[in-house]
Amino acid sequence: DAGITQSPRHKVTETGTPVTLRCHQTENHRYMYWYRQDPGHGLRLIHYSYGVKDTDKGEVSDGYSVSRSKTEDFLLTLESATSSQTSVYFCATKAGGQGSYEQYFGPGTRLTVT
Amino acid sequence: AQSVTQLDSQVPVFEEAPVELRCNYSSSVSVYLFWYVQYPNQGLQLLLKYLSGSTLVESINGFEAEFNKSQTSFHLRKPSVHISDTAEYFCAVTYPQGGGSEKLVFGKGTKLTVNP
Repeated sequence: DAGITQSPRHKVTETGTPVTLRCHQTENHRYMYWYRQDPGHGLRLIHYSYGVKDTDKGEVSDGYSVSRSKTEDFLLTLESATSSQTSVYFCATKAGGQGSYEQYFGPGTRLTVT
Repeated sequence: AQSVTQLDSQVPVFEEAPVELRCNYSSSVSVYLFWYVQYPNQGLQLLLKYLSGSTLVESINGFEAEFNKSQTSFHLRKPSVHISDTAEYFCAVTYPQGGGSEKLVFGKGTKLTVNP
């Protein structure tokens, strides 16, 4: 367990509203990731970060943006939420460097867009 | 493209029976493999991993997985399951590139249900 917390844990919002999810880690891991989990799709990478202010897109990045101003925090923003973004969102971290390949996951945020 | 196939979306078994959850990945020269477990309403936890060395890897709760390069498989097995093993299991692969920047590619998951 890499000391990862996510907030909020549950959120219901309306279509068209902005939403920000927060991931906080206490392990000083270099890499951070945002995934979404949907039935029948497994986990799909939205965005990831390889350092402060360094981010890149994953396979399902449309409609999402991220920011990382501190090592410990990684924010995921839905600029204008849509019903297709109803999902469970997981944050993960990885230490980085040689020999570091496994990711550690947070408890998830269940987002419902009505 | 990198991909992972979990051949069974659901596996029901009776308690104390053996189980095998299948995982195949797209071929590569070098690969690292992982199994994660997700209990209801929780995040994913690392169950076991293969990076190098012995092709048979074990977890602390009795699961094992065998890396088979020729068949590009990493099947998860347990000789006798418990009710508490009921969970969703995800196979994941990463292709080493050096420097730690590798990303994980996940399979779609297998829901294991252990019945009394």
